[in-house]
Formats: sequence, structure tokens, C-alpha cells
Amino acid sequence: DVKVTQSSRYLVKRTGEKVFLECVQDMDHENMFWYRQDPGLGLRLIYFSYDVKMKEKGDIPEGYSVSREKKERFSLILESASTNQTSMYLCASSSNDLTQYFGPGTRLLVL
Amino acid sequence: RKEVEQDPGPFNVPEGATVAFNCTYSNSASQSFFWYRQDCRKEPKLLMSVYSSGNEDGRFTAQLNRASQYISLLIRDSKLSDSATYLCVVNALNTGFQKLVFGTGTRLLVSP
Repeated sequence: DVKVTQSSRYLVKRTGEKVFLECVQDMDHENMFWYRQDPGLGLRLIYFSYDVKMKEKGDIPEGYSVSREKKERFSLILESASTNQTSMYLCASSSNDLTQYFGPGTRLLVL
Repeated sequence: RKEVEQDPGPFNVPEGATVAFNCTYSNSASQSFFWYRQDCRKEPKLLMSVYSSGNEDGRFTAQLNRASQYISLLIRDSKLSDSATYLCVVNALNTGFQKLVFGTGTRLLVSP
């Protein structure tokens, strides 16, 4: 059974803190993605990676960075959290058939 | 114009009803189409891919109309467990890499 896990289900941080969101997949997928989901806006792509140490900006990369040191792990970093980064963060992975498998999500609240 | 547009609903239907959702997309070069299902406070999961010839999976039927750039999802004999948000998804090229563009979803509520 395919599995994508995220390090936290719920997270509360203060403005200005550095935040790390971790995602691990066990399907040996090449591609990994980070989205945020907000009411009325749907899923928006932040960054994606198609190989180890490779990354590409999505539609809303500002304020975020990513790291992919190993094939199974893709990390999202908020360098200095702001209140407008309060959101649901979803990680996904896929092989080359485009079907994306999602993790359970991390609800981040920035105070 | 949004790349993928859906009626947000909610669609309120009784058990056993047939319900249909449409979704329009703006990029005529899109080649791959999907419906994902998202339960409340859960992650999206693939419901079905949408093929040019249309496809059926049990009570669910998906259709693609390339000329009008829309896809549809038909659910027959609705169950309470069908209550969820249905996301229309199409592919797009981003600097040579495939990515998926998600609609904001159509909410379905099936009542007893």
C-alpha cells in the first residue's frame, strides 16, 4: 500500500520562527510536491522536485524553500513564518504516470 | 480566468439520486484529466482518471469533451459515503515538467 507521511498533523508557531515540514514516501517515486490548501483557493503548488537535489518553483514559492537530500524525503522550510502562511500543507509524490499520492497534511497556525 | 473552474456547490441530494458535476479548463494543450475526492479534513485521493473515450467505474462515470474543454463526473445511486468534495484536476506543462492543476472542488452532501 502506498504511503506518504508528514512529520506533524498540527503545528503552532510564532511569527518569525523557522519552520520545517517533513515529508517521506515509501514508493520510490521520483517526483515530490508541496502544496498549500486554503478555503476558496484550492490546492496551490509551492515547490516540486523531480529528482534528488533538484527543485523547481511552483506557483507560490515566495517565503518558502525546499530540500531534497534523499529520494524518499522532501522538506518544506518557512525561513521566517508569517501569519499569512497559516494554512493546510499537503505533500504528494508521483511516478511518471502523473497520479499523485498525498500525505495526511499538516495544519500550520502562525500566531 | 482560472485554469480549472468548478461550481463549489454544495450539491444536496438524497440517497439514491443521480448527480453530475462539470468542470471547465482553459489550457487546450492539457492531455491528462482526473477526478480526486477529498473528505472533510483529509487528503485528496484519486477517484478516477478521465479518458478521451469516457470511462466508468461502478457507479461513477467520467466524460471528457475536448471541443468545449470540460470534463464531467456522474454519480449514480448516491450513497451517504459519497459525501465529500470532488476535485477536478488537469495537467499542465511548467518549464518542461508536468504538473497538476487542481480545481477548488465541488462539495457533495448526500442525505438519508
